[in-house]
Amino acid sequence: DTEVTQTPKHLVMGMTNKKSLKCEQHMGHRAMYWYKQKAKKPPELMFVYSYEKLSINESVPSRFSPECPNSSLLNLHLHALQPEDSALYLCASSPDTGFDGYTFGSGTRLTVV
Amino acid sequence: GIQVEQSPPDLILQEGANSTLRCNFSDSVNNLQWFHQNPWGQLINLFYIPSGTKQNGRLSATTVATERYSLLYISSSQTTDSGVYFCAVDRSNTGKLIFGQGTTLQVKP
Repeated sequence: DTEVTQTPKHLVMGMTNKKSLKCEQHMGHRAMYWYKQKAKKPPELMFVYSYEKLSINESVPSRFSPECPNSSLLNLHLHALQPEDSALYLCASSPDTGFDGYTFGSGTRLTVV
Repeated sequence: GIQVEQSPPDLILQEGANSTLRCNFSDSVNNLQWFHQNPWGQLINLFYIPSGTKQNGRLSATTVATERYSLLYISSSQTTDSGVYFCAVDRSNTGKLIFGQGTTLQVKP
């Protein structure tokens, strides 16, 4: 299995809702990442998990809460989002930080209404 | 922080043409990767190339680390090559990839 699987593919949520994005890989990768991408812009790093520990938080607002329950799974919990948080959320993994084999999922397209 | 500049920002080619995309970076890096994002949003890793030259089919890449630039060559372009090409760098192997603004390529049949 050489894929990173993200669910759901599309999500529409209200500003008072709580939802979660899920990311899974079975390549034995020990680094996992969340990126946010706005239309016609490059991906921007949000969080890095290395060996299931949060190693980088790029000053992301607390309404985004990451979780790494095990080495294969990464979640992003969302609550009280704003319309400007609407974007493509990409998960990625790599064997370790800074190495080849960086693999992205196909993303969750999030719309906040 | 490190700056990553890509050129040209947009490129339109006829099928079969060749092209060169450039990525300049402002500081030394330990990790440089090229990605292709297709029109559906999927990012595909093309090359991991912090230095040297690599080839994969019609694509090749060269990074001259001492001069802080990397080039991506696309030969005999096909319509399926359309999309956005990103260069991304990591200064210190933290996993924090910094992306350039991308080159949007359109290949016309």
